[in-house]
Amino acid sequence: DAKTTQPNSMESNEEEPVHLPCNHSTISGTDYIHWYRQLPSQGPEYVIHGLTSNVNNRMASLAIAEDRKSSTLILHRATLRDAAVYYCILRDDPSGTYKYIFGTGTRLKVLA
Amino acid sequence: DVKVTQSSRYLVKRTGEKVFLECVQDMDHENMFWYRQDPGLGLRLIYFSYDVKMKEKGDIPEGYSVSREKKERFSLILESASTNQTSMYLCASSLEAAPMETQYFGPGTRLLVL
Repeated sequence: DAKTTQPNSMESNEEEPVHLPCNHSTISGTDYIHWYRQLPSQGPEYVIHGLTSNVNNRMASLAIAEDRKSSTLILHRATLRDAAVYYCILRDDPSGTYKYIFGTGTRLKVLA
Repeated sequence: DVKVTQSSRYLVKRTGEKVFLECVQDMDHENMFWYRQDPGLGLRLIYFSYDVKMKEKGDIPEGYSVSREKKERFSLILESASTNQTSMYLCASSLEAAPMETQYFGPGTRLLVL
């Protein structure tokens, strides 16, 4: 399974943009890049996903490098509610289970 | 909105007890999953099911079994609870098994085995 590497923790000031990096140098051509986040005492929740092109939704933007070996989750204006652990996950599974392989993620701290 | 509910948020059991963790989803999803989450180890897949009465082992099935008698319900069973099964247990569901498909998670059950 392809692996992802994320910083253990990051800090941001409230109202400022946050760029959360993810390295996935062994990504295959059919791996989708997913981002989830886990708020304190909750289960993970979907944030965004993409394959090759940059993606935007109401929560965030996903910037994917041209060689696909890295990606960045962008929160345009961090709020205190965005403090969470953010997981970058690759999904492709020839056996058909399409299971998620969660790493330890990046713990984002938002400062008021 | 998809809703995945788990029967308990917190549970305390004694070593050797049989423990049932229930998960229900309300969106007619085909696939359901059980994970456990431990500090420093991330989420690890225990079992998953892609249809009623079908189940597949995940990465750490030892000491666990599952049951899926109805499409909306997926149960995790600890046959004889042990202290090393103290953990956060997360249930998830997805519409189908595809690499772009989103998984929806429940709030988790924090289990303490004494």
